[in-house]
Amino acid sequence: QSALTQPASVSGSPGQSITISCTGTSSDVGGYNYVSWYQQHPGKAPKLMIYEVSNRPSGVSNRFSGSKSGNTASLTISGLQAEDEADYYCSSYTSSSTLFGGGTKLTVL
Amino acid sequence: EVQLVQSGAEVKKPGESLKISCKGSGYSFTSYWIGWVRQMPGKGLEWMGIIYPGDSDTRYSPSFQGQVTISADKSISTAYLQWSSLKASDTAMYYCARRSRSWFDPWGQGTLVTVSS
Repeated sequence: QSALTQPASVSGSPGQSITISCTGTSSDVGGYNYVSWYQQHPGKAPKLMIYEVSNRPSGVSNRFSGSKSGNTASLTISGLQAEDEADYYCSSYTSSSTLFGGGTKLTVL
Repeated sequence: EVQLVQSGAEVKKPGESLKISCKGSGYSFTSYWIGWVRQMPGKGLEWMGIIYPGDSDTRYSPSFQGQVTISADKSISTAYLQWSSLKASDTAMYYCARRSRSWFDPWGQGTLVTVSS
């Protein structure tokens, strides 16, 4: 199975909103509501930001939201802050495996 | 607090064997799957495989099947990732993470494995 497809980079200014896409197939992203998103700062372990497409874990800012349409999931960050600058990875769980996206580097200008 | 604590960084030579660990605490270790994820230098996350410590049911990514062995000792709440013969291309950061239904949380702090002659 191939990795999920994410843009290599996105950028935005403080206060703006950005969206990161994650494209898979009907066998993974499109077939299950099992998409999750992770934030990774340099030198740190990944941190769960969204699970099962649109659910936020306790403690994660409500500036982070997730959605899905067909085979593409999206992570939206509103009211960008400097601390949001990081790498973001999507993931899709299937009955036989877990796939990750290639990662998107978010730069806050 | 639910926590996964991994063993420390390792420096090995090609051909050597290695076993790294991931100790869970703050929850019922036998009730959740533990996954392993590789991150090569400057690269993205790759799912390697997963184990259910309750009965040691183990699944591997096709990319890692036969290359590594995942195991667990539920008596000490610890999962393992091991290599029988390391290669330079195994140089990477390795993370363990607890799976809840479909997502991974929390993650261990990572174990850096360096393989160099």
